[in-house]
Amino acid sequence: AQKITQTQPGMFVQEKEAVTLDCTYDTSDPSYGLFWYKQPSSGEMIFLIYQGSYDQQNATEGRYSLNFQKARKSANLVISASQLGDSAMYFCAMREYDYNTDKLIFGTGTRLQVFP
Amino acid sequence: DSGVTQTPKHLITATGQRVTLRCSPRSGDLSVYWYQQSLDQGLQFLIHYYNGEERAKGNILERFSAQQFPDLHSELNLSSLELGDSALYFCASSVEEGKSSYNSPLHFGNGTRLTVT
Repeated sequence: AQKITQTQPGMFVQEKEAVTLDCTYDTSDPSYGLFWYKQPSSGEMIFLIYQGSYDQQNATEGRYSLNFQKARKSANLVISASQLGDSAMYFCAMREYDYNTDKLIFGTGTRLQVFP
Repeated sequence: DSGVTQTPKHLITATGQRVTLRCSPRSGDLSVYWYQQSLDQGLQFLIHYYNGEERAKGNILERFSAQQFPDLHSELNLSSLELGDSALYFCASSVEEGKSSYNSPLHFGNGTRLTVT
């Protein structure tokens, strides 16, 4: 079975600084996608960025980038120039397939707090 | 805005009662997934429907049931509610399903916050 691990329960970063949120994964499937979601205190789940297992380059979306190290099975989220509005829970996720399963599995999340 | 609509946003009910949560997926998405998020369990997959058919079940209690209608909207029915059912319930949709869609994200609604008193 696939697994997602986020080892940082909480992180603090000063406004305008960069921060890296860690994510490691475990899968035996050569085809997989990794996703990051943001959950503000209001509760909604916002899709941020995705990285495919065959992608040659690290994904980027505005201030978000993914540091994808396939051999180490890590897909860390980098947020550049942090803003107060980045304070939220961040979840790393992977789509899991089996004979009768298709779902997104999540890590336990990292709570990021941005301070002025 | 993800394009996935969930109603109601908040629901407060008593133990033993039954409620129905509703979800409209993004236009064109055939797959609907239900998730439960509680403080102690994290994000738990409940059930997946594709084009009206149940595809996979996760940690869904027998007191819970779901269906996806011909217009692709979905409902999650929770009955004989207990205090422990209090959680945030998410619906998510995706255009595809299965192995070919490994690089497709799920798009989540804003959730229904259920409080059982």
